[in-house]
Amino acid sequence: AQSVAQPEDQVNVAEGNPLTVKCTYSVSGNPYLFWYVQYPNRGLQFLLKYITGDNLVKGSYGFEAEFNKSQTSFHLKKPSALVSDSALYFCAVRDNVNTDKLIFGTGTRLQVFP
Amino acid sequence: GAGVSQTPSNKVTEKGKYVELRCDPISGHTALYWYRQSLGQGPEFLIYFQGTGAADDSGLPNDRFFAVRPEGSVSTLKIQRTERGDSAVYLCASSLGTGPDTQYFGPGTRLTVL
Repeated sequence: AQSVAQPEDQVNVAEGNPLTVKCTYSVSGNPYLFWYVQYPNRGLQFLLKYITGDNLVKGSYGFEAEFNKSQTSFHLKKPSALVSDSALYFCAVRDNVNTDKLIFGTGTRLQVFP
Repeated sequence: GAGVSQTPSNKVTEKGKYVELRCDPISGHTALYWYRQSLGQGPEFLIYFQGTGAADDSGLPNDRFFAVRPEGSVSTLKIQRTERGDSAVYLCASSLGTGPDTQYFGPGTRLTVL
């Protein structure tokens, strides 16, 4: 079965420090991977996606993600965290078997402390 | 341009009542998706439209749930005989096409069944 795992419920980081939010996946065929961010009482905002090509994908708000095929991972990173980055982050993979639906992880809450 | 819009933003109803949730996708987007997000969870797929037809409704939990998209644009998710377990945030997303195209999400409708 295709799935996504986000092993950390919460990540705490000090402002200005680098951050990493982890994601691993299991899919049939080539993976299409996505990161979304959710602020309180708001919908999901698209950050970035990996389809093919460069393993390092750059996205919105200074975020980037590294695709690692051998480790089946797609970790979200940012060199210098901001307090305003505090939010809920979701990793997702496209279902290659059935339709184009997204399969989401359970989310990781990022807390950036001043 | 305008993003995905959903109405109402909040809906409170009593157990056993019928509700309709509306989604207005981004103009020109042919694919439309409904997801449901329970507290502390990632979004879960409900149904996917390509144009006017439901390409995949495998995520609908039971026959109380139904969705339509009669003109290939606006979609309505209909829930009959609501139960307390239906309480969740219902998210709609649209994409230009299918495959790896990015799904853009609306702000969601928070449904509370008393």
